[in-house]
Amino acid sequence: DQQVKQNSPSLSVQEGRISILNCDYTNSMFDYFLWYKKYPAEGPTFLISISSIKDKNEDGRFTVFLNKSAKHLSLHIVPSQPGDSAVYFCAASARRYGGSQGNLIFGKGTKLSVKP
Amino acid sequence: GAGVSQSPSNKVTEKGKDVELRCDPISGHTALYWYRQSLGQGLEFLIYFQGNSAPDKSGLPSDRFSAERTGGSVSTLTIQRTQQEDSAVYLCASSPGLAGGLDTQYFGPGTRLTVL
Repeated sequence: DQQVKQNSPSLSVQEGRISILNCDYTNSMFDYFLWYKKYPAEGPTFLISISSIKDKNEDGRFTVFLNKSAKHLSLHIVPSQPGDSAVYFCAASARRYGGSQGNLIFGKGTKLSVKP
Repeated sequence: GAGVSQSPSNKVTEKGKDVELRCDPISGHTALYWYRQSLGQGLEFLIYFQGNSAPDKSGLPSDRFSAERTGGSVSTLTIQRTQQEDSAVYLCASSPGLAGGLDTQYFGPGTRLTVL
């Protein structure tokens, strides 16, 4: 049973427009959420994170929104650029419980294609 | 300023053989994680180290899988009597190990294991 779900396997966006990547989770113990970007033949690269005490975190063109009541988060990229084309993974962990650092639970990823 | 490195980058082996995968974390990072990504799937947690000890081995899929970490640095993931279903990209990540904090994991490029 997947605890982190990315229901869209792919997304295509025109350069300059907004890309919105969505992620849903089921475990209410999750309190830290991250987005990673992955190019082919490379490891995932950390992009942006958000703690459950916040509902928004912004870093340049990237903004992550968290809706705890809906157990939903989204990543907005604006404006989208061709170099943003990659697979984006949503990940979550429960850090304030259990005492350990906690492993990350990943979604299956969404492949973003930004067309020039 | 080296990131996480892994070796080999690719490994092809025959069913039934043992393999060893190596991970060199970022210098000073106390936490180390192993994940694997099978075709079309998200990243699956295998094991977590804090220093040289492994408080969470819950993700290891069978007793054919083991891992160790020496000197609080390099880690080796060993798969004995490999099976075709072990074919995947094995990813290592490290993090500073901030106790109770929001600890970002940084990934290596992965080892692509193919079991014939």
